[in-house]
Amino acid sequence: QLVESGGDLVQTGGSLRLSCAASGFIFSGFRMGWVRQAPGKGPEWVAFINEDGSEIYYVESVRGRFTISRDNAHTSLSLQMNSLRAEDTAVYYCAKGDWLDNWGQGALVTVSS
Amino acid sequence: VVMTQSPLSLPVTLGQPASISCGSSQSVIHSDGDARLHWFHQRPGQSPRRLIYRVSNRDSGVPDRFSGSGSGTDFTLEISKVEAEDVGVYYCMQSAHWPYTFGQGTKLEIK
Repeated sequence: QLVESGGDLVQTGGSLRLSCAASGFIFSGFRMGWVRQAPGKGPEWVAFINEDGSEIYYVESVRGRFTISRDNAHTSLSLQMNSLRAEDTAVYYCAKGDWLDNWGQGALVTVSS
Repeated sequence: VVMTQSPLSLPVTLGQPASISCGSSQSVIHSDGDARLHWFHQRPGQSPRRLIYRVSNRDSGVPDRFSGSGSGTDFTLEISKVEAEDVGVYYCMQSAHWPYTFGQGTKLEIK
């Protein structure tokens, strides 16, 4: 099970931190990712992290603004989002594996001026 | 890698077959030789759910009326006999090359 939290309404230029609590599987054995879906659009990969956090990738549009991290001891995944823009408005999903075999229910992030 | 699905809208009569195509702008064969093409289904108001992984492997609990095929840059998701619960949007996704990318989605509706 994956449960996201931290979604909110934030002003343009602001910051937000999303968290994902994982349970029911061996968290440290899986790559994880954040995938977002803007209103009425298809999903978009945002960030990827490997099992021990030594390999991290970002989509170009968030590189330098977002930071993905994980805490294997507490089976949690995080996404720190800075310098938020209107185009970052989306439902953000925490997802298991780079083949996305399980998704959370999503956290809504709304960026508005 | 750009993923292109067709059709974007798919009206289907209950009990009839349906087919969705997904093309990639380059091969989705990973460096380990494995084809990294997957299919997802999203019902309105719900999170996406994976149906098929690595081209043709059905996920646990996915009815056998769903099947995936293809190779290289051309892939297909087929539903042998559409049921009411199959409505929603279907996406293909490649995980061979970062950034992993999704198709635009195909909206299946019942005629």
